[in-house]
Amino acid sequence: GAGVSQSPSNKVTEKGKDVELRCDPISGHTALYWYRQSLGQGLEFLIYFQGNSAPDKSGLPSDRFSAERTGGSVSTLTIQRTQQEDSAVYLCASSLLLGYSGNTIYFGEGSWLTVV
Amino acid sequence: TQLLEQSPQFLSIQEGENLTVYCNSSSVFSSLQWYRQEPGEGPVLLVTVVTGGEVKKLKRLTFQFGDARKDSSLHITAAQTGDTGLYLCAGASWNTGNQFYFGTGTSLTVIP
Repeated sequence: GAGVSQSPSNKVTEKGKDVELRCDPISGHTALYWYRQSLGQGLEFLIYFQGNSAPDKSGLPSDRFSAERTGGSVSTLTIQRTQQEDSAVYLCASSLLLGYSGNTIYFGEGSWLTVV
Repeated sequence: TQLLEQSPQFLSIQEGENLTVYCNSSSVFSSLQWYRQEPGEGPVLLVTVVTGGEVKKLKRLTFQFGDARKDSSLHITAAQTGDTGLYLCAGASWNTGNQFYFGTGTSLTVIP
């Protein structure tokens, strides 16, 4: 696609339920990133994928969080047994290559999650 | 642990004024980026700096990377209402797994 697409754009869920957030990166981008942003704050790095592989999962806040990427394209971030502190905007981004040198990261518009 | 600290956290100025936003770290970065984010949207890249002491200008915005590559600044001349937004710095290096870690953000409001 033309840009990074995320769905849903807004999600309200009850505490304790599971949610899935989807990210469709820019076509051909091998690297995909998930960040979390609380209201008006900076971005908290969660996880990145190089192809379908996530070498480092230490950024995930707890074992209730998991992410996968299939076919080197779409990624899903799953939050199990949601808690109120999970409420935030979840941003997905992609880049052509992994790594920082001359790399431009393109962000989606985010999925706003509210746990009530 | 927050690798990058930005200051000020909030800034409200009159249109036409100048301002500087700072991004500081105790870590050395190989590359540092600045982003601007508007409400309801994802961050958009403004600039990437990779050389210590580097200065880049983008119209009224001037970006500087510190000599030691631990800090950076963003200076805006004659601010306009369209500059309003959240400004984020992000640093990456080999010891962050080549991933960009973002700063705490500076929320700028330019008042007409």
